[in-house]
Amino acid sequence: GQQVKQSSPSLTVQEGGISILNCDYENDMFDYFAWYKKYPDNSPTLLISVRSNVDKREDGRLTVFLNKSGKHFSLHITASQPEDTAVYLCAAGANQGGSAKLIFGEGTKLTVSS
Amino acid sequence: DMKVTQMPRYLIKRMGENVLLECGQDMSHETMYWYRQDPGLGLQLIYISYDVDSNSEGDIPKGYRVSRKKREHFSLILDSAKTNQTSVYFCASSPGTGESAETLYFGSGTRLTVL
Repeated sequence: GQQVKQSSPSLTVQEGGISILNCDYENDMFDYFAWYKKYPDNSPTLLISVRSNVDKREDGRLTVFLNKSGKHFSLHITASQPEDTAVYLCAAGANQGGSAKLIFGEGTKLTVSS
Repeated sequence: DMKVTQMPRYLIKRMGENVLLECGQDMSHETMYWYRQDPGLGLQLIYISYDVDSNSEGDIPKGYRVSRKKREHFSLILDSAKTNQTSVYFCASSPGTGESAETLYFGSGTRLTVL
């Protein structure tokens, strides 16, 4: 079964609004959680990541919330802009001496309409 | 300039032919990965390499093998390609140490079509 799951294949948000992207995971050994952004015909790039010792991390307009008991993490993008339109991939993994065998979700296509 | 380079960018092969996808990185990263991306399935891990000749199966290794003889190069080999191996293949590397140990740096991808 899918170890990391993004239940929403797509999301549309008005410009200026808050985009909330969700991700669920199954393996409670996972201790590293990340969000990657992917434009069409481009490679994924890391947006933001957290380790399991925190339940929230902010970076500018981005905030990751981690709910370990619920095996769920989310990405909030405030003041959403048209250039935020992309596919967002969540990923989770267990640190293995520095390397993490990251498992990715299916992706959520975010469209920010102006 | 930190970079992961994949060759070729596009490739068309016939069923049964052998396929070699090449990946290089100039960041001296220990760990390298091969993923494939298919619609509705996200990125699926094929193989992970922790260093030269230290390779481990990912979630979907069947039909693939890898080779890592130098730290900066990681190859994906399809012996006798099948039509269901048509996909976009991404190579990635990660530092393995430090604050950003797990950060993946991806190549631009290879779009493989098997006819």
